[in-house]
Amino acid sequence: DTEVTQTPKHLVMGMTNKKSLKCEQHMGHRAMYWYKQKAKKPPELMFVYSYEKLSINESVPSRFSPECPNSSLLNLHLHALQPEDSALYLCASSPPLEDNEQFFGPGTRLTVL
Amino acid sequence: AQTVTQSQPEMSVQEAETVTLSCTYDTSESNYYLFWYKQPPSRQMILVIRQEAYKQQNATENRFSVNFQKAAKSFSLKISDSQLGDTAMYFCAFMNYGGSQGNLIFGKGTKLSVKP
Repeated sequence: DTEVTQTPKHLVMGMTNKKSLKCEQHMGHRAMYWYKQKAKKPPELMFVYSYEKLSINESVPSRFSPECPNSSLLNLHLHALQPEDSALYLCASSPPLEDNEQFFGPGTRLTVL
Repeated sequence: AQTVTQSQPEMSVQEAETVTLSCTYDTSESNYYLFWYKQPPSRQMILVIRQEAYKQQNATENRFSVNFQKAAKSFSLKISDSQLGDTAMYFCAFMNYGGSQGNLIFGKGTKLSVKP
């Protein structure tokens, strides 16, 4: 299995809703990432988990809450989002430090009404 | 701080022709990785090609090759025999060797359109 999967593909939510994005990989990678991507822009790093521990939080608002239950699974919990949070949310994973290629999932298109 | 610059926001090429996408970067490090990622309209970001800075030989992957000029801090991507499926956003990216994971620095991207 050489892919990163993300669910759902599309999500529409109101500003008072609570929802979660899910990411899964079975490549044995021990680093996993969340990125936010606006249209026609490069991905912006949000969080990095290394060996299931949060290692990087790029000053992301607390309405985004990451979780890494195990080495294959990464969640992003969403609460009280704003319309400007509408974007494509990409998950990625990578092998150990010496081989830093990141493998990306297809993304979740999030719309906040 | 490292930066990556892609000076061509959009490019187009006729099918079967060759196109070169430019990328320059700025760093004071001597060991690092460089990547070209492709993001088609279907959104999945995939790795096209990678280059380790300590390797003098330019990387090639089938129709894709790079011209890596370390002294000039330049890393261009050449696509030969362009195909309609090459239509995508192309992002150049930089990462320090042995740096903290997640430190993948992207350029702003070049939108490539391959015309029949």
